[in-house]
Amino acid sequence: AQKVTQAQTEISVVEKEDVTLDCVYETRDTTYYLFWYKQPPSGELVFLIRRNSFDEQNEISGRYSWNFQKSTSSFNFTITASQVVDSAVYFCALRSLGFNKFYFGSGTKLNVKP
Amino acid sequence: EAQVTQNPRYLITVTGKKLTVTCSQNMNHEYMSWYRQDPGLGLRQIYYSMNVEVTDKGDVPEGYKVSRKEKRNFPLILESPSPNQTSLYFCASSLSTDYNSPLHFGNGTRLTVT
Repeated sequence: AQKVTQAQTEISVVEKEDVTLDCVYETRDTTYYLFWYKQPPSGELVFLIRRNSFDEQNEISGRYSWNFQKSTSSFNFTITASQVVDSAVYFCALRSLGFNKFYFGSGTKLNVKP
Repeated sequence: EAQVTQNPRYLITVTGKKLTVTCSQNMNHEYMSWYRQDPGLGLRQIYYSMNVEVTDKGDVPEGYKVSRKEKRNFPLILESPSPNQTSLYFCASSLSTDYNSPLHFGNGTRLTVT
């Protein structure tokens, strides 16, 4: 079974705090792909990053970083020095090789207060 | 500009009145899909298409129809809408031959059925 769990429904932080959004996935496949999307208050879905199951290197892009750990089936997303513009709903998604579906978590709403 | 275009952005209708939400992409993507987004449930796949004339059910297909007569277009049809289909709908596309390819989303259609 393919499943993505984002246990944090909503998180509130004050600007400049660091925050980590958790994503735990389930799949029996050895080849799979993980994605993060951002949905700002305006509603559109914006692709942030992808990672395949053979690449466990962490990724850093400015204030954003992603920690992929196959041992714990997690693909967590950290925002360093959060800003108000980071306020959004963030979705984690899974796609396994040979499956025609993307499986999305239920999303984590991040509120960054000034 | 590469994009997925959905229309309309907002739609209010009454129970039983057939409606169509259009979706078009200009990226020559083979894979197209429809999702609905409801609070606490994340994004759930309604239907997807791997290519022209190839469509298949997602997780919540009841009450919906789709067609893929041209590569660029993938309309969503509600033949007899009901209030439980009130939701935010997203169309998306990606390269089906590359499982690492992310989904590109339209801006969404907010549907209200009274």
